[in-house]
Amino acid sequence: AQTVTQSQPEMSVQEAETVTLSCTYDTSESDYYLFWYKQPPSRQMILVIRQEAYKQQNATENRFSVNFQKAAKSFSLKISDSQLGDAAMYFCAYRSLGETSGSRLTFGEGTQLTVNP
Amino acid sequence: NAGVTQTPKFRILKIGQSMTLQCAQDMNHNYMYWYRQDPGMGLKLIYYSVGAGITDKGEVPNGYNVSRSTTEDFPLRLELAAPSQTSVYFCASSVTPLNSPLHFGNGTRLTVT
Repeated sequence: AQTVTQSQPEMSVQEAETVTLSCTYDTSESDYYLFWYKQPPSRQMILVIRQEAYKQQNATENRFSVNFQKAAKSFSLKISDSQLGDAAMYFCAYRSLGETSGSRLTFGEGTQLTVNP
Repeated sequence: NAGVTQTPKFRILKIGQSMTLQCAQDMNHNYMYWYRQDPGMGLKLIYYSVGAGITDKGEVPNGYNVSRSTTEDFPLRLELAAPSQTSVYFCASSVTPLNSPLHFGNGTRLTVT
């Protein structure tokens, strides 16, 4: 079974600065997908960014980018020019392609990000 | 487009009571999932379905049951509620290709006392 580890329960950043959230995962599969989700206090789950494992190029979405290191099984999220609205819980998630697992998402425990004005 | 709709938003149950959490999606998604999120924790998979008539257990299925009689609906049944089932429950759905994100409902906060 796959596992996802987020080693930073809490992080803080000054407004306009850059912060990196860490994520590692364990899998024996060669093809899979990785996601970062954001959960603000409203508890809504919002997709931030996604990465296909077969793609070497790191995904970017505006101020959000990832550093995907397949051999190291690492998938960190970089937030540039942090804004107050970025404050939330961030979850790293792994999606298996295996039919026997229903292509489920496996989540890490989350990193609570605080943005200081 | 309503997306994924969960009802109710909040519920308080007494120990031993039963209830059904409703989940409906209008996007014609094949894959549907039920997760629970305990305070300060990540989401854990309870049950999933890859299509109407097909369901299977996730990581934490004990105390729950599901059914999937239509593509749209995926209710979660709690029998004999226990305090350990106090949590926020999320329903989600997805379409292939599998790099598509899961679409989440807004969650149901359940308290068992």
